[in-house]
Amino acid sequence: GAGVSQSPRYKVAKRGQDVALRCDPISGHVSLFWYQQALGQGPEFLTYFQNEAQLDKSGLPSDRFFAERPEGSVSTLKIQRTQQEDSAVYLCASSLANSGLGFTDTQYFGPGTRLTVL
Amino acid sequence: GQNIDQPTEMTATEGAIVQINCTYQTSGFNGLFWYQQHAGEAPTFLSYNVLDGLEEKGRFSSFLSRSKGYSYLLLKELQMKDSASYLCAVRYSLGGFKTIFGAGTRLFVKA
Repeated sequence: GAGVSQSPRYKVAKRGQDVALRCDPISGHVSLFWYQQALGQGPEFLTYFQNEAQLDKSGLPSDRFFAERPEGSVSTLKIQRTQQEDSAVYLCASSLANSGLGFTDTQYFGPGTRLTVL
Repeated sequence: GQNIDQPTEMTATEGAIVQINCTYQTSGFNGLFWYQQHAGEAPTFLSYNVLDGLEEKGRFSSFLSRSKGYSYLLLKELQMKDSASYLCAVRYSLGGFKTIFGAGTRLFVKA
């Protein structure tokens, strides 16, 4: 597709349930990022992939959060045993590269998944 | 540490000019981005600066001063559809390249 897509757009989970959020990046984009955005805040970095390699997961808030990109394209963010504090919008972004070389590092965002944990 | 500051909210009148400021403190600065985000939507890329000076793109311009850790986004001929949050984001090098985002400035354009 032309842009980054994410599914589902909205997810309501009961506390303790596991959820899986999907991201389809722009075709050919090597780098993929997951962010968490709370209401009224900017996106907060969670994790970063270059192709299938997860190069940085320093932003994942706990070991309940897990992300994968097994074939270097589609990525899934999984949250186990969801808690109310996990309620947020989860944004995925992709870029051609992440090499510090100008425009190629521009990140393009998907519409996000709004997760509500009851 | 890395930090970005921008005003929380601004209000301006349709047809006017507004300047949204952003100050940052980072090590290994490698570029500054501005994004626009309408409520409930994805951030969309507006501009990119890596060298000092002004980058103009239609009604939007972005300025950077690396020595002052300062940028601004200038919006001219404001339209109602410009009501949105404007996110300042800084890329930096720290064992790889990372991008951090400010909390965003909510701009309200009134008739």
